[in-house]
Amino acid sequence: AQSVSQHNHHVILSEAASLELGCNYSYGGTVNLFWYVQYPGQHLQLLLKYFSGDPLVKGIKGFEAEFIKSKFSFNLRKPSVQWSDTAEYFCAVNASGDTGRRALTFGSGTRLQVQP
Amino acid sequence: DAGVIQSPRHEVTEMGQEVTLRCKPISGHNSLFWYRQTMMRGLELLIYFNNNVPIDDSGMPEDRFSAKMPNASFSTLKIQPSEPRDSAVYFCASSQTSGNTIYFGEGSWLTVV
Repeated sequence: AQSVSQHNHHVILSEAASLELGCNYSYGGTVNLFWYVQYPGQHLQLLLKYFSGDPLVKGIKGFEAEFIKSKFSFNLRKPSVQWSDTAEYFCAVNASGDTGRRALTFGSGTRLQVQP
Repeated sequence: DAGVIQSPRHEVTEMGQEVTLRCKPISGHNSLFWYRQTMMRGLELLIYFNNNVPIDDSGMPEDRFSAKMPNASFSTLKIQPSEPRDSAVYFCASSQTSGNTIYFGEGSWLTVV
């Protein structure tokens, strides 16, 4: 079974600071990796995803993430955060090519608070 | 394009009452997922369907919970009888079987008093 760990539960940054949120997963096979964002009171929206190819993926709103297979990590980054980035961020994984486990397994989430 | 549509958006009900949550997946998507989100437990998969067939219901908390998908465009999650600890946001999501991206609805915010 897959599992996902997000070590930062609550991060507080000032505007223009750089962001890196950690995500590690546990699974013996090939995985697809995702970052979702949930703005206050809203549903989850896809930020970016990795299936294969270039391990550095770029998503919406200036976010990017790097898949490091040897470290089982998929950290999310943004060079300069804005107040509007205040939200909860979820890392998720599903098994690639395994139709029996297409459901996403989510990490516990990281609450990002950006102060103006 | 219409996304995943859920109803009701908000429901407040008394303990012991039956609750039915509804979901219409994105047209053409044949995998459907029900998730529950709480502060204590985060996002938990309750059940998911592929081509209207339940594939994994190991996350369904107990017999009070049931889910159905009578056709490709509709699913229900029912709680009977409801309890205060069922208070949560219930998300429905869908994807194509051949695809890997899962799209979420706006959630049903359930409060059981």
